[in-house]
Amino acid sequence: KQEVTQIPAALSVPEGENLVLNCSFTDSAIYNLQWFRQDPGKGLTSLLLIQSSQREQTSGRLNASLDKSSGRSTLYIAASQPGDSATYLCAVSGHSNSGYALNFGKGTSLLVTP
Amino acid sequence: DVKVTQSSRYLVKRTGEKVFLECVQDMDHENMFWYRQDPGLGLRLIYFSYDVKMKEKGDIPEGYSVSREKKERFSLILESASTNQTSMYLCASTSYTPLQASMHTEAFFGQGTRLTVV
Repeated sequence: KQEVTQIPAALSVPEGENLVLNCSFTDSAIYNLQWFRQDPGKGLTSLLLIQSSQREQTSGRLNASLDKSSGRSTLYIAASQPGDSATYLCAVSGHSNSGYALNFGKGTSLLVTP
Repeated sequence: DVKVTQSSRYLVKRTGEKVFLECVQDMDHENMFWYRQDPGLGLRLIYFSYDVKMKEKGDIPEGYSVSREKKERFSLILESASTNQTSMYLCASTSYTPLQASMHTEAFFGQGTRLTVV
């Protein structure tokens, strides 16, 4: 069964810092990897989707990389802002007993202080 | 720009009640999913569906059932609500299908339903 791990579980940084969130997965036979943001009590917002054939995706201050062979992905956030404070979730999609549903890590809780 | 809509943000139900959670998507997606999210356990898949009238069990289907009579609507049913079903419930959709193995789309989530069973 696919296992997804996110490190660190929580992170606090001062405004303006660049930071990296890590995600690892045990089965490299994935179709894609997706990063989400979740604000307290809310649903998930998609940030970036990386197909299995791709190495990275960028959106504004966010950059996500994928190394499928080693089972790792990173989310890089440049020039962090207090509005970036949220929980960031990594999820992978691949054929399994649960079809093509996403398998999630438990998230990294990010706090950016002014 | 709403894509996936869940019928309620907050629900409070009594033990033993039959509870319906509704999810509607406007993107003509084939695949729909129900997850629950609990502190320390993350998101866990309850049920999913690839097509109308089709359903498959996820990782934790016990105590739940689903219905998909129309492509845009996927309902989660708690047959007899219990306190251990108090949770945040999240619906999602994608347009990925087994026949379109080269197509991988992002998943869209609803805003979540916070269910409390007392």
